[in-house]
Amino acid sequence: ETGVTQTPRHLVMGMTNKKSLKCEQHLGHNAMYWYKQSAKKPLELMFVYSLEERVENNSVPSRFSPECPNSSHLFLHLHTLQPEDSALYLCASSPGTRGYEQYFGPGTRLTVT
Amino acid sequence: GESVGLHLPTLSVQEGDNSIINCAYSNSASDYFIWYKQESGKGPQFIIDIRSNMDKRQGQRVTVLLNKTVKHLSLQIAATQPGDSAVYFCAENMDSSYKLIFGSGTRLLVRP
Repeated sequence: ETGVTQTPRHLVMGMTNKKSLKCEQHLGHNAMYWYKQSAKKPLELMFVYSLEERVENNSVPSRFSPECPNSSHLFLHLHTLQPEDSALYLCASSPGTRGYEQYFGPGTRLTVT
Repeated sequence: GESVGLHLPTLSVQEGDNSIINCAYSNSASDYFIWYKQESGKGPQFIIDIRSNMDKRQGQRVTVLLNKTVKHLSLQIAATQPGDSAVYFCAENMDSSYKLIFGSGTRLLVRP
């Protein structure tokens, strides 16, 4: 799990707050991903960055805003969230610029009150 | 696992027995498949993957079998141990895209 780290591990925020999730990969990978895992659905891909360029935005509401300043770091900025956004947010990275061999971090458990 | 709200199929096996977890995938054009293990409170952990040009691949105590004719994938775990208790997900990738499409998972329970 130390290959991909995520902070914070747990976050509680109100609907009017602004917060950010951070992901860092120590694997020298070229692509990074944000996924959402909720209790009622399988893992859902949110965003993909390849070589720091966003290559996929999977119909995610604008209250989620990703940022990839370099190939090792990925952020997910959150604002004006809804209670239904409460979920486990997982970051992953992969070595190539395709979706093979994705390695996940431990996730951030987000609760929106 | 994190999918506790889903109606997950559950496989219960005796410690030391072999486990077989099955997965039906959706797209005949998928060319890459991967198995993950997710323990409670953790992110998915890579177990093994296989490309569509292969029928079988072996790792340490695990074997993945791919049957493209019926779009079926299986994960075999030899000599199942208590530490193998987790939710197991299969995922498929189509046309070398970025997107992995995940199944809903199977919960494996190992009885001592």
